[in-house]
Amino acid sequence: AQTVTQSQPEMSVQEAETVTLSCTYDTSESNYYLFWYKQPPSRQMILVIRQEAYKQQNATENRFSVNFQKAAKSFSLKISDSQLGDTAMYFCAFMNTGNQFYFGTGTSLTVIP
Amino acid sequence: DSGVTQTPKHLITATGQRVTLRCSPRSGDLSVYWYQQSLDQGLQFLIQYYNGEERAKGNILERFSAQQFPDLHSELNLSSLELGDSALYFCASSVWDSGSTDTQYFGPGTRLTVL
Repeated sequence: AQTVTQSQPEMSVQEAETVTLSCTYDTSESNYYLFWYKQPPSRQMILVIRQEAYKQQNATENRFSVNFQKAAKSFSLKISDSQLGDTAMYFCAFMNTGNQFYFGTGTSLTVIP
Repeated sequence: DSGVTQTPKHLITATGQRVTLRCSPRSGDLSVYWYQQSLDQGLQFLIQYYNGEERAKGNILERFSAQQFPDLHSELNLSSLELGDSALYFCASSVWDSGSTDTQYFGPGTRLTVL
């Protein structure tokens, strides 16, 4: 069975600084997909970034980038130039080729003005 | 606003009862996904439908069932409710069947409280 682990329940960062959220996963599959979702206080789930396991290049989306280490089964999210609107719960998620999703327990990020 | 609608927003019921949660996907989206977010178990994938057919199944209890209708809206039925079923239930939709490349758009969720 696949598992996703987020070892940082809470984190904080100063506005305009950079923060990295950690995620590790366990799977025996070779082809899969990884995601970071953001859940602000409104509880709406918003896709931040996705990564295909077969791609070596790390995905980037504006201020968000990932460090994907397939051998280490690690998938961290880096947020640059943090903004107040980045305050949210962040979930790491794994999807196998059967479209089954597995989520981590989340990291609550607070951006401090 | 993601374009995905879920009704009702809040639902309060008693143990042993049955409820139906409704989801309308974005216009043009053929896939619907259901998720449960509870305090003790986090966010869990329940089930996916694509164009009326079940495509993927996660940790969905036998007391729960879902279907997608010809107009593509979906319903999640929860029966013999227990206190532990209290959670936020999300529906998400995407255009195609591929959860990998398709962006899933989440609805606002239905908050179920079982007393």
